[in-house]
Amino acid sequence: GENVEQHPSTLSVQEGDSAVIKCTYSDSASNYFPWYKQELGKGPQLIIDIRSNVGEKKDQRIAVTLNKTAKHFSLHITETQPEDSAVYFCAVMNSGNTPLVFGKGTRLSVIA
Amino acid sequence: GAVVSQHPSRVICKSGTSVKIECRSLDFQATTMFWYRQFPKQSLMLMATSNEGSKATYEQGVEKDKFLINHASLTLSTLTVTSAHPEDSSFYICSARGTGRSPLHFGNGTRLTVT
Repeated sequence: GENVEQHPSTLSVQEGDSAVIKCTYSDSASNYFPWYKQELGKGPQLIIDIRSNVGEKKDQRIAVTLNKTAKHFSLHITETQPEDSAVYFCAVMNSGNTPLVFGKGTRLSVIA
Repeated sequence: GAVVSQHPSRVICKSGTSVKIECRSLDFQATTMFWYRQFPKQSLMLMATSNEGSKATYEQGVEKDKFLINHASLTLSTLTVTSAHPEDSSFYICSARGTGRSPLHFGNGTRLTVT
């Protein structure tokens, strides 16, 4: 089955700096790659996603890049703010009704 | 945007009792809902896949008689933790997806504490 590795497990950055979180996956048939942000005591919130026919997607300060050949995708957050502090999960899916497979999460701390 | 409502957000129950958690898709029809369990500082662990009108598919190691799932309509799935024990204490999260290429959205979770 699919195996998703996420790095780093923790990340601290100064406010205003960029943060990058990377995930690798094993199943080349996977075609959907969302990123979720989870704040303490809440459910994960979808922040951006990308499909396999696209190499990069951007939404304001957040971007995701996908390298299908190398089977990895990354989340980029620019101009970080303290409210970006949370746990971020990558996930992978390979067909419409199969469950997402999640990475283990990255705890991001943005220091003011 | 799509909203998934989960209720209750927090529940405390005594050992041996049963607890029902509801998951509703508020503005879309969800043919498939997923139930996850999350331990502190860990990732989400898939428990079961719930399909409207049919039996749920449970992941290996998840007891179907203990975690009863009912997906009776396109907007509601329920998870019942039967004869709860302290080791069932956890954060339970549901998620739902509409038709086609809709993204997966999550509820805000239910913190279950069994005393």
